Amino acid sequence: SQQGEEDPQALSIQEGENATMNCSYKTSINNLQWYRQNSGRGLVHLILIRSNEREKHSGRLRVTLDTSKKSSSLLITASRAADTASYFCATEGLSGGYNKLIFGAGTRLAVHP
Amino acid sequence: IAGITQAPTSQILAAGRRMTLRCTQDMRHNAMYWYRQDLGLGLRLIHYSNTAGTTGKGEVPDGYSVSRANTDDFPLTLASAVPSQTSVYFCASSQGDNSPLHFGNGTRLTVT
Repeated sequence: SQQGEEDPQALSIQEGENATMNCSYKTSINNLQWYRQNSGRGLVHLILIRSNEREKHSGRLRVTLDTSKKSSSLLITASRAADTASYFCATEGLSGGYNKLIFGAGTRLAVHP
Repeated sequence: IAGITQAPTSQILAAGRRMTLRCTQDMRHNAMYWYRQDLGLGLRLIHYSNTAGTTGKGEVPDGYSVSRANTDDFPLTLASAVPSQTSVYFCASSQGDNSPLHFGNGTRLTVT
C-alpha cells in the first residue's frame, strides 16, 4: 500500500524555470522525506521535514509540509538540466520505527536546456 | 568512499533457482532495509533489520528471506525465484528514527 502519492507523475520544463512537485499522504506521520533518483542509480536523500515543521530549505530546494491537509511540496528553483531525475516522497509513520518509511511512486522531472 | 555496496549489479536467473543478493555498508548504521522498485509502484519494503541479530517483515516479504549476522552485511535470498520477482532491488541503511536512508545502486534481477 502506498502512503505518499506524488503529483504530477511527470513534469517537463525549461532550464531556469521552477519545478513544483506535490505529495499527499493518508495517515499521520512522524516525518516526511524527499529523495531524488537518477536513471539507473539508487535514491539520494534531499530533505527531511518533521511533523512539527512547516518549511525547510536546502540550496535551491524548498519543502513545505501541511499536516492539516496531509500534503507536502518540493520546489526546485532556477532548474538546471542536471536536475532531470525522478523525485520521491516518503513518510515515516507515527508508530515509529524506520521500518515504516513508505515511498510514493515518484514524479519524473525533465529539464530541457 | 563510505556507502552501500550491492552485488551483483544485474543478474538473469532461471525460475526455480536460488539467488542471494549481497549488501554491505561501511557506515556502521544500525538499520538496514531491502526494497524492490517496480515501474508505477515506487519502492516497496521487503524486509528490514533494526540491528544486528534482528530482522522483520516489510510490505512484500513472501518469497524472500534475510539474515543480519553482523552490522555491515544484510543479504537477501530468493529461495526459488519466480518471474514476478523480476525487479530492481535496493538495499539501504540508516541510523534510525528520523534519519535519512542511504541507498546502494541496486541489483537489476530478471527471472525467466
